[in-house]
Amino acid sequence: AQSVAQPEDQVNVAEGNPLTVKCTYSVSGNPYLFWYVQYPNRGLQFLLKYITGDNLVKGSYGFEAEFNKSQTSFHLKKPSALVSDSALYFCAVRVGTGFQKLVFGTGTRLLVSP
Amino acid sequence: IAGITQAPTSQILAAGRRMTLRCTQDMRHNAMYWYRQDLGLGLRLIHYSNTAGTTGKGEVPDGYSVSRANTDDFPLTLASAVPSQTSVYFCASRGTAEGTEAFFGQGTRLTVV
Repeated sequence: AQSVAQPEDQVNVAEGNPLTVKCTYSVSGNPYLFWYVQYPNRGLQFLLKYITGDNLVKGSYGFEAEFNKSQTSFHLKKPSALVSDSALYFCAVRVGTGFQKLVFGTGTRLLVSP
Repeated sequence: IAGITQAPTSQILAAGRRMTLRCTQDMRHNAMYWYRQDLGLGLRLIHYSNTAGTTGKGEVPDGYSVSRANTDDFPLTLASAVPSQTSVYFCASRGTAEGTEAFFGQGTRLTVV
């Protein structure tokens, strides 16, 4: 089955330190990969995506992600975490040909401490 | 402001009652989706629609139905609610250009008692 996995339920990092939220995927063909963020009592907000081209993708709020085909990974990164980055992060992969849908990981809660 | 509007934002519903969650978008997106979010399970697709007049089943369609009479509206109906349908429900839409991302509503928190 085509899927994404987020191996960490929670990531803790101190403000100012770099952060990484992990995502691996399992799809046939070339993957379209997405990261979304969810703040408390809010819907999901799009952060960034990988479609093709440069393996390093830059997105909103200073986040970036690196597509690694050999490791089937798409980890989310930020050089310097902010307390306001604390939220729930979802990795997703587009699947389907005729109809395309997003399959989501189980989410990773990021806690940035002051 | 363009986007997706869901209503209600929250609801407590007695088991066995019928309930329709509303979703309206003003971006003229063809594709629309209903997901439910449950702790530890992420988001799971309930139903989807490729374009007005067509719908399809997702991963967890049982107990839910949808309709797509026009481009903008995609209501989700629980015919006879059960406690296992307690969840947060998100509506989303997406344009048809290759690789476009989906946009999500603010969600409806539904508690079935």
